[in-house]
Amino acid sequence: ELKVEQNPLFLSMQEGKNYTIYCNYSTTSDRLYWYRQDPGKSLESLFVLLSNGAVKQEGRLMASLDTKARLSTLHITAAVHDLSATYFCAVDESFSGTYKYIFGTGTRLKVLA
Amino acid sequence: ETGVTQTPRHLVMGMTNKKSLKCEQHLGHNAMYWYKQSAKKPLELMFVYNFKEQTENNSVPSRFSPECPNSSHLFLHLHTLQPEDSALYLCASSQDVEQFFGPGTRLTVL
Repeated sequence: ELKVEQNPLFLSMQEGKNYTIYCNYSTTSDRLYWYRQDPGKSLESLFVLLSNGAVKQEGRLMASLDTKARLSTLHITAAVHDLSATYFCAVDESFSGTYKYIFGTGTRLKVLA
Repeated sequence: ETGVTQTPRHLVMGMTNKKSLKCEQHLGHNAMYWYKQSAKKPLELMFVYNFKEQTENNSVPSRFSPECPNSSHLFLHLHTLQPEDSALYLCASSQDVEQFFGPGTRLTVL
């Protein structure tokens, strides 16, 4: 059974600081996704990582994927308050032409002014 | 309307009621999904439909009954639910690897 673990579960950080969220998974997969969820809202796609060594950046967020280590990281640079949200990683088990996502537990990020 | 829409956005029902959740995608995708998001659990995949055919039922109790009349519409019929079924129900669609989520229905079972 595929398991996806994120750490930390909760993260409180000061504005301007850097930090990394980790996503570990238990079986081989070369597709991993990061989503953001604001309170009471749906999931917003942040990054789609489709191969070993993939690195993508958008603003203050950068995501990477190491399929050999079964690890993805979401790095936050110079955090700002607007980044406060819950971040989820998801690994997919493709089958029958559809993509079955297994989500991590989420990391609740709070950026303090 | 664009993207993935869900109605209603909020629903309160008793354990003996029957209600339905609706999802519609305007993206031309061929696959649709139902997820459950509870307060203390990761998002759980419930059902997957590909070209209107159900390809996954993730051990969901029979009190949840999905229906996919076409590739653009997905329903979740609810009956005799339990209080622990209270959660945010999210619909998603995909054409390729990336799934796009709707705003969700916040369900409360009394």
